Amino acid sequence: AQSVAQPEDQVNVAEGNPLTVKCTYSVSGNPYLFWYVQYPNRGLQFLLKYITGDNLVKGSYGFEAEFNKSQTSFHLKKPSALVSDSALYFCAVRDRQTGANNLFFGTGTRLTVIP
Amino acid sequence: DTAVSQTPKYLVTQMGNDKSIKCEQNLGHDTMYWYKQDSKKFLKIMFSYNNKELIINETVPNRFSPKSPDKAHLNLHINSLELGDSAVYFCASSPGLAGGVAYEQYFGPGTRLTVT
Repeated sequence: AQSVAQPEDQVNVAEGNPLTVKCTYSVSGNPYLFWYVQYPNRGLQFLLKYITGDNLVKGSYGFEAEFNKSQTSFHLKKPSALVSDSALYFCAVRDRQTGANNLFFGTGTRLTVIP
Repeated sequence: DTAVSQTPKYLVTQMGNDKSIKCEQNLGHDTMYWYKQDSKKFLKIMFSYNNKELIINETVPNRFSPKSPDKAHLNLHINSLELGDSAVYFCASSPGLAGGVAYEQYFGPGTRLTVT
């Protein structure tokens, strides 16, 4: 079984401060991990993914995420938050062993960057 | 050019009606998906098609029937609509089925379905 947990429904951060959006996952094998962002009334946009190799993955708009196998986590980070980063963020996982590209999404974390 | 498009953007209808949502992608992708996002923003896959063939059919009532006339289109037909069907439905596509490759998915803008 595959699942993703995003323990925080809401994260507030001041503009210019570092931000972290948390994600933990559960798969029977090794994971592929993804972060997506959803702006109001829009579809999801891909930010970054972890496949293999370097545990620190860099993505769009200055975001990065760190894969931690021992803690089964894939937290999203950004050194300096912008007001325009305010959106809904989804973590997703896929078990490498499955043939289908079936992503399991977390429940989302709403990020609000305060000017 | 819009990569993944859906029509209509909004759909308001009464219980018991039958409705369809259309999806088209111009990315040349082989695989397309339908997701349902409920009022709490929880996103769950419904169907996955690869080259017009059904690959995934999650626990979705058989009132929902996907149709893929070609690999650029995946339509969703819903019979006998119920109040609980109210949600935002997203279409997505990816280059392939994956296997050992982690393809990201490209999402459409969503169709907000309201059943009254």
